[in-house]
Amino acid sequence: DSGVTQTPKHLITATGQRVTLRCSPRSGDLSVYWYQQSLDQGLQFLIQYYNGEERAKGNILERFSAQQFPDLHSELNLSSLELGDSALYFCASTYSGTHSSYNEQFFGPGTRLTVL
Amino acid sequence: GENVEQHPSTLSVQEGDSAVIKCTYSDSASNYFPWYKQELGKGPQLIIDIRSNVGEKKDQRIAVTLNKTAKHFSLHITETQPEDSAVYFCAAANFGNEKLTFGTGTRLTIIP
Repeated sequence: DSGVTQTPKHLITATGQRVTLRCSPRSGDLSVYWYQQSLDQGLQFLIQYYNGEERAKGNILERFSAQQFPDLHSELNLSSLELGDSALYFCASTYSGTHSSYNEQFFGPGTRLTVL
Repeated sequence: GENVEQHPSTLSVQEGDSAVIKCTYSDSASNYFPWYKQELGKGPQLIIDIRSNVGEKKDQRIAVTLNKTAKHFSLHITETQPEDSAVYFCAAANFGNEKLTFGTGTRLTIIP
């Protein structure tokens, strides 16, 4: 168990809908990262938050957004869902988002999103 | 941006034999190279990492080598066991841009 929790574990929804995925980082971790894992794209970095602020952005679609709350949990919002958004969504956390070193990212168990 | 290529995509080895997975990266600024193991239904778990000031690192049956000139790094698993069966991902990052760029994964199967 990495200490990172994600809810829900599974989500089935229809095209055009909006969903929210939730992530609670390890106790004490300030940085949260979101990744998308699909069969044809592998693990793709979406976005990073550090202590409530956006730190880095990857290939995140405009239909997707995220935020990190004062208690450091994070939510990933996916809207106007398309069939191609079906994937596993992982969040990872690490203590520090500083530029002076690199710290291990601890991954949660993921949320499997199925868009029908 | 960074691009990481990983080979092979699938690998089957006899229990007790060694397994080698290779990755190449494109961005010479990358200086951190972790390897993750992902078991079915779970998130990736870090098994070993190497930084660019080191050429080789070993942890029991697992070792990673890095050739910065050629932009290659490899994972070596010796004396493989059935529990080593999983998907392995290499990744690259640099301290100035913390996002991990992952390879496409290698499905390793250990044959008893």
